[in-house]
Amino acid sequence: QQPVQSPQAVILREGEDAVINCSSSKALYSVHWYRQKHGEAPVFLMILLKGGEQKGHDKISASFNEKKQQSSLYLTASQLSYSGTYFCGTDDGQETSGSRLTFGEGTQLTVNP
Amino acid sequence: ETGVTQTPRHLVMGMTNKKSLKCEQHLGHNAMYWYKQSAKKPLELMFVYNFKEQTENNSVPSRFSPECPNSSHLFLHLHTLQPEDSALYLCASSPQLWFLNYYEQYFGPGTRLTVT
Repeated sequence: QQPVQSPQAVILREGEDAVINCSSSKALYSVHWYRQKHGEAPVFLMILLKGGEQKGHDKISASFNEKKQQSSLYLTASQLSYSGTYFCGTDDGQETSGSRLTFGEGTQLTVNP
Repeated sequence: ETGVTQTPRHLVMGMTNKKSLKCEQHLGHNAMYWYKQSAKKPLELMFVYNFKEQTENNSVPSRFSPECPNSSHLFLHLHTLQPEDSALYLCASSPQLWFLNYYEQYFGPGTRLTVT
């Protein structure tokens, strides 16, 4: 079952903060975050693993609440380049290959000057 | 070329045609994926290959046939498609697949497919 993202869309002024949430009805082992700009390929942002390990390489941060089966992506001091659609992908750790991600519908973020 | 490339970028085909989508990754990765992205819908995983072996077939209709001749190339062969198959088809790669070890996926720009 796909995770639920909220909000569906958000409009910011440059410099403002935003939080995007990703919730699942299933226990999660990992949560992955990607951003896709219009007409471009999705780009990796973060992986958060059960147990607290976090992998990422951007100024954007995220949290993973295993008990609530929820992850949040924090965008602080937003820049125009942050505009795009943000997807979370979740994995329950049941597949031996570690390959199967189920993606949410995405959150469309628009940052205006 | 760097990263993940896909050809063609746009494809229009009739329901009786046979066509193929090509994906090539220049990252030295061993896992490759096909995704379908339809308007207003989440990314849907279709197929996964790890070291040329198919590890995932997400209940995809047989009119889609994947092929992975080596770790750098992935094809999606299409035949007798339906209009509802029109979508953006994305290819991705990652270093490898290993139980409960996760790696970021690198996506190609996609092929925009229209079935008439």
